[in-house]
Amino acid sequence: ETGVTQSPTHLIKTRGQQVTLRCSSQSGHNTVSWYQQALGQGPQFIFQYYREEENGRGNFPPRFSGLQFPNYSSELNVNALELDDSALYLCASSLEGARKTEAFFGQGTRLTVV
Amino acid sequence: AQSVTQLDSQVPVFEEAPVELRCNYSSSVSVYLFWYVQYPNQGLQLLLKYLSGSTLVKGINGFEAEFNKSQTSFHLRKPSVHISDTAEYFCAVTFTGGGNKLTFGTGTQLKVEL
Repeated sequence: ETGVTQSPTHLIKTRGQQVTLRCSSQSGHNTVSWYQQALGQGPQFIFQYYREEENGRGNFPPRFSGLQFPNYSSELNVNALELDDSALYLCASSLEGARKTEAFFGQGTRLTVV
Repeated sequence: AQSVTQLDSQVPVFEEAPVELRCNYSSSVSVYLFWYVQYPNQGLQLLLKYLSGSTLVKGINGFEAEFNKSQTSFHLRKPSVHISDTAEYFCAVTFTGGGNKLTFGTGTQLKVEL
């Protein structure tokens, strides 16, 4: 079975720009969660998608948005980038339902905003 | 809401010595507890989890943790560490039925020295 993969691994954006990060979930999983990990901090929950619908959101502004596709892959979009958005963005997939699993994480995307 | 406290930001230890990484949580409802490890420039890997049942949980790489409900703790232990255990360790919690929406602590950097 394939694991969780994220793309790109690194990118640099300018303040005010928009960015899209991508995540392919592990085979058989129906749920994707996104986390922001600032330098020296623990991951912070951004939001979760279950069967293409948002299923919970953390304390992040609306300029953080997402999508989940029928194949359960997902995108995280951030508009109007700010310097404080520089962080490692982690995607985690899991199976929710009767045979739920724990979350499996991808390698992350390192975003630098200059 | 849940919260996690990892009191030790850094723990230095000599190779083959025992180690304990402390984790305390706060929640008004029943929880699931997890320990994840993060190696430099990588995502998170699950070490072990407590869902229910026996309070002593064994994980990968020789780690174990004990759930103590009265003290709201979930400390991670290893009887003999190796250089390869040098990494960042994160304790995380989600409430039962929370669908893998994890709340993480700030992490403990374990540095194993010769």
